[in-house]
Amino acid sequence: GNSVTQMEGPVTLSEEAFLTINCTYTATGYPSLFWYVQYPGEGLQLLLKATKADDKGSNKGFEATYRKETTSFHLEKGSVQVSDSAVYFCALRPLNTGNQFYFGTGTSLTVIP
Amino acid sequence: SAVISQKPSRDICQRGTSLTIQCQVDSQVTMMFWYRQQPGQSLTLIATANQGSEATYESGFVIDKFPISRPNLTFSTLTVSNMSPEDSSIYLCSVRTDRAEQYFGPGTRLTVT
Repeated sequence: GNSVTQMEGPVTLSEEAFLTINCTYTATGYPSLFWYVQYPGEGLQLLLKATKADDKGSNKGFEATYRKETTSFHLEKGSVQVSDSAVYFCALRPLNTGNQFYFGTGTSLTVIP
Repeated sequence: SAVISQKPSRDICQRGTSLTIQCQVDSQVTMMFWYRQQPGQSLTLIATANQGSEATYESGFVIDKFPISRPNLTFSTLTVSNMSPEDSSIYLCSVRTDRAEQYFGPGTRLTVT
C-alpha cells in the first residue's frame, strides 16, 4: 500500500540552525512527493515537490531530494529563521490514482531567536 | 494559484446535530476535495466533490454521514451529520487546478460535545 512516515516532533531549533525533517514512504510504482507547510491559522501551502527519482525540489531555502533507493524525501534547510515556525507535512501522490494524497502526521517546528 | 476560504473557521456543536461547512475558491478549478485531520493524525481524504453529480467517497466514508454538494466550479459544502465526539476534527477543503497544483483551505476546526 501507500503510506508516509514522518519524523515526529515537536522540533525546536535556534535561529540559523540546520534543519532536517525525515520522511520515508511506501508506494507502488513511482509517486510524486511533496512537502506542505502550515503556518498558524492558515491552510496547507505547497512548499516544494519532486515528481521523479533524483529530482530535487527547492523553495524559500528548503530542499528535498527524491531518493528512490532509500524511499526518502527528507526536508532540509541550512539556516532556519523564526518565520519558518510552522507544521510541515510530507505527502505522496501515487501515479495514476488520480485524487488520493497520502500525508504524514506532520512535524511541528519552532524556531527561537 | 487558488485562494480558498472556509466557513465557519471553527465551531462547537452538540452531539446529534449537523454542521455544514462551506468552501469558496477565488477561481474555477478542476477538482475539489474534502479532507479530515483528526487530532494527532495525518490528513485523510473523505471524498471528491463532483460538479453536478454525487461525490465520490473514499473507503470508510459514506454519503449519509458526509453529504457533499458542488453546485458550480468554485463552491462546495460538506455536511457532518448526526455528529458524535469522534467527529471532532479539522475539516479541510482542497482544490486542484488545471496545472495539477493542489491547494488547501485554512480548515474548519470542529469540536463535538
